Amino acid sequence: DSGVTQTPKHLITATGQRVTLRCSPRSGDLSVYWYQQSLDQGLQFLIQYYNGEERAKGNILERFSAQQFPDLHSELNLSSLELGDSALYFCASSAQSGVGNTEAFFGQGTRLTVV
Amino acid sequence: GQQVMQIPQYQHVQEGEDFTTYCNSSTTLSNIQWYKQRPGGHPVFLIQLVKSGEVKKQKRLTFQFGEAKKNSSLHITATQTTDVGTYFCAGRNSGNTPLVFGKGTRLSVIA
Repeated sequence: DSGVTQTPKHLITATGQRVTLRCSPRSGDLSVYWYQQSLDQGLQFLIQYYNGEERAKGNILERFSAQQFPDLHSELNLSSLELGDSALYFCASSAQSGVGNTEAFFGQGTRLTVV
Repeated sequence: GQQVMQIPQYQHVQEGEDFTTYCNSSTTLSNIQWYKQRPGGHPVFLIQLVKSGEVKKQKRLTFQFGEAKKNSSLHITATQTTDVGTYFCAGRNSGNTPLVFGKGTRLSVIA
């Protein structure tokens, strides 16, 4: 158990819909990352938050948005869903101290299927 | 932007054979990390390399960081069926930038 909790585990929804994925980071970790994993596409970095503020943006579509709340949990909102958005979405957290142990701990992922 | 390339994409080996995956970055990295993802699972941290030319070992796994801090490798000696999974390298430009992952090498081990 990595200590990172993601809900839901599975999500099936129709094209054009909007969904919210939730992530609770490991206790004490201030940084949250969102990654998208499609078949044979590795882990695509979407966005990072650190202590409530957006820190870095990757290949995140304009239809997608995220936020980190004061209790440090994060939500990834995906709207106007398309078939191509079907993927495994991972949340990861790290201490992000800049020195020492900055490994990322991954949640179990949310498998999104758009039909 | 920063890119991390990993080869090969797939590797099939007989149990007992050695395996190596290579990682190359388009920019100099402050550190590189390796993760393993078992089929159906999530990435799990294996190790972090920080120093130029660093070599670290974990039992049958040997990790190297290049002198220029732009490439890295993971070598597994005498593979076992428990080594099956996808191995990802991930690099950072600096301590506070996000991890950029390679596409991974999927290892299959034939018993």
